Amino acid sequence: GAGVSQSPSNKVTEKGKDVELRCDPISGHTALYWYRQSLGQGLEFLIYFQGNSAPDKSGLPSDRFSAERTGGSVSTLTIQRTQQEDSAVYLCASSPDKGLANTGELFFGEGSRLTVL
Amino acid sequence: AQSVTQLGSHVSVSEGALVLLRCNYSSSVPPYLFWYVQYPNQGLQLLLKYTSAATLVKGINGFEAEFKKSETSFHLTKPSAHMSDAAEYFCAVTRSGSARQLTFGSGTQLTVLP
Repeated sequence: GAGVSQSPSNKVTEKGKDVELRCDPISGHTALYWYRQSLGQGLEFLIYFQGNSAPDKSGLPSDRFSAERTGGSVSTLTIQRTQQEDSAVYLCASSPDKGLANTGELFFGEGSRLTVL
Repeated sequence: AQSVTQLGSHVSVSEGALVLLRCNYSSSVPPYLFWYVQYPNQGLQLLLKYTSAATLVKGINGFEAEFKKSETSFHLTKPSAHMSDAAEYFCAVTRSGSARQLTFGSGTQLTVLP
């Protein structure tokens, strides 16, 4: 597709269940990012993938969160044993380059809205 | 550490009026600064960016922003608001040009009144 694709667009789950969120970046983009957007707050960085390098997981809030990127393309963000505070919009973005100074732009998907009851 | 403060979580203007969305940053080194816009049910998209070239930056849809080091500000303006400008606007800063260190503000919801 032409843009970053995320699925599901909406997910309602019960506390304690595991969820998987998927991101399909723009073809050819080597960098992929996950952010979390909570109501009334800015975007919170979660994890960053760049090519075949080890991912930067410094933003993951707890060990219940994990992400992988297979074949340098599609990424899955997994949240285990979900809690109510995990409710948020999870945004994926991709970029053709790891340096924003050159490209100046992240391309965002529409997000996956997660509601934990 | 770097941070971004957006003054006013909600701003309302009349159609045709000046739009001014405020952003102040704190950074120990010269930053790169960005404004992103999020229209309803859409992802964020880049509006404009400052990367140490011209201090007055022009973006899409008639928006512009001026980097003022003395005021540590990067306010977003548009001379005449249009109904289609209604959206949420995010200011962001990074020291190194890396998105891993990109810090977003909490956003300003712009409402345009007829």
